[in-house]
Amino acid sequence: AQRVTQPEKLLSVFKGAPVELKCNYSYSGSPELFWYVQYSRQRLQLLLRHISRESIKGFTADLNKGETSFHLKKPFAQEEDSAMYYCALLFSGGYNKLIFGAGTRLAVHP
Amino acid sequence: GAGVSQSPSNKVTEKGKDVELRCDPISGHTALYWYRQSLGQGLEFLIYFQGNSAPDKSGLPSDRFSAERTGGSVSTLTIQRTQQEDSAVYLCASSLARQGVGYTFGSGTRLTVV
Repeated sequence: AQRVTQPEKLLSVFKGAPVELKCNYSYSGSPELFWYVQYSRQRLQLLLRHISRESIKGFTADLNKGETSFHLKKPFAQEEDSAMYYCALLFSGGYNKLIFGAGTRLAVHP
Repeated sequence: GAGVSQSPSNKVTEKGKDVELRCDPISGHTALYWYRQSLGQGLEFLIYFQGNSAPDKSGLPSDRFSAERTGGSVSTLTIQRTQQEDSAVYLCASSLARQGVGYTFGSGTRLTVV
């Protein structure tokens, strides 16, 4: 069955420290993966998608099919990165819909 | 409109009452989704509308939940005989038919059942 796992509910780091938010997926097809972010009192919004191989706000994520992972990384965390981060898998079995993980709250301390 | 609009933003209801939540998607977006966001549970898929196709209702948790989308635009999520466990933020999102660009989410309706 298709599933997205984010093992950490909370990740707490100091400003300037590296950050890695973990995401693992289970999907028999060719995966299409996304990271969404929700800042305090704001809407959930797309951060990045693996097919674009982009870096947004200093964040990158590499799809590792061997490890079925799509971890989100940033070399130097900033306080404004504090937010809720959701990893999502596009499930295209007949219907196209995103399956989300439970989310990881990133707290960056000064 | 410029974004996905949801109403009301907050709803407090008594256990056993029915509620209706509204979503107005981005103009031209043929796909519309409802998700439920509960503390510690992440985003739970509820239902998906795509154009004139039959909706994917596989995520609806019980027959107390239903949704419709009239004219391929506005959608209403109805919860009958609300229970305390229905308390959550209900999010609506819309997208173009092909998913590569991701979804645009509304700000959600916070439902509290007392």
